[in-house]
Amino acid sequence: ETGVTQTPRHLVMGMTNKKSLKCEQHLGHNAMYWYKQSAKKPLELMFVYNFKEQTENNSVPSRFSPECPNSSHLFLHLHTLQPEDSALYLCASSQDLRGETETQYFGPGTRLLVL
Amino acid sequence: AQKITQTQPGMFVQEKEAVTLDCTYDTSDPSYGLFWYKQPSSGEMIFLIYQGSYDQQNATEGRYSLNFQKARKSANLVISASQLGDSAMYFCAMRGGYNTDKLIFGTGTRLQVFP
Repeated sequence: ETGVTQTPRHLVMGMTNKKSLKCEQHLGHNAMYWYKQSAKKPLELMFVYNFKEQTENNSVPSRFSPECPNSSHLFLHLHTLQPEDSALYLCASSQDLRGETETQYFGPGTRLLVL
Repeated sequence: AQKITQTQPGMFVQEKEAVTLDCTYDTSDPSYGLFWYKQPSSGEMIFLIYQGSYDQQNATEGRYSLNFQKARKSANLVISASQLGDSAMYFCAMRGGYNTDKLIFGTGTRLQVFP
């Protein structure tokens, strides 16, 4: 148990659905991240938030919409997804954003299947 | 540009034996951090060990140690006394410099421990 939780753990949705992924960290961290992990690809950073402010959008399509209401919660709102968006979505947090010593702690991920 | 290379897609080791997972990196940052994560089939990315570029000693955490060879730009993970529960994907990652908020991951090595 790393102190980062994600819900739901599994999600199946149609291309016309709207759903949200939730991430919560209990570590008192200030930075939170969304990653996408597709089969046989390195982890892809999607979004970064620091003190609730978005600091990074790694050219992510607008059908993915992040929301960070406070430093402990991070959401990823999904709408009109494509089958190629099927992947494991991982949330992570770190104490601070910058610095080579900052360790990111990950949640268990949400396995998303888009039909 | 920063890059992490893991050349072993899969490794096998017998229980109680030691195993080395290879990682080489490329960066122009004078200061950087190297991380290893374990990802079981459940999906969670578990932080294992950290090595700073200026650390004089190789990092150790229980059965995990990092064989850091700065001149060769390698940061191999050594797992001693392998256990069946060590079977998982292992990812090497790097974070460079104070102004870099990105954690760059390699493609991973799948380790299988057999009895």
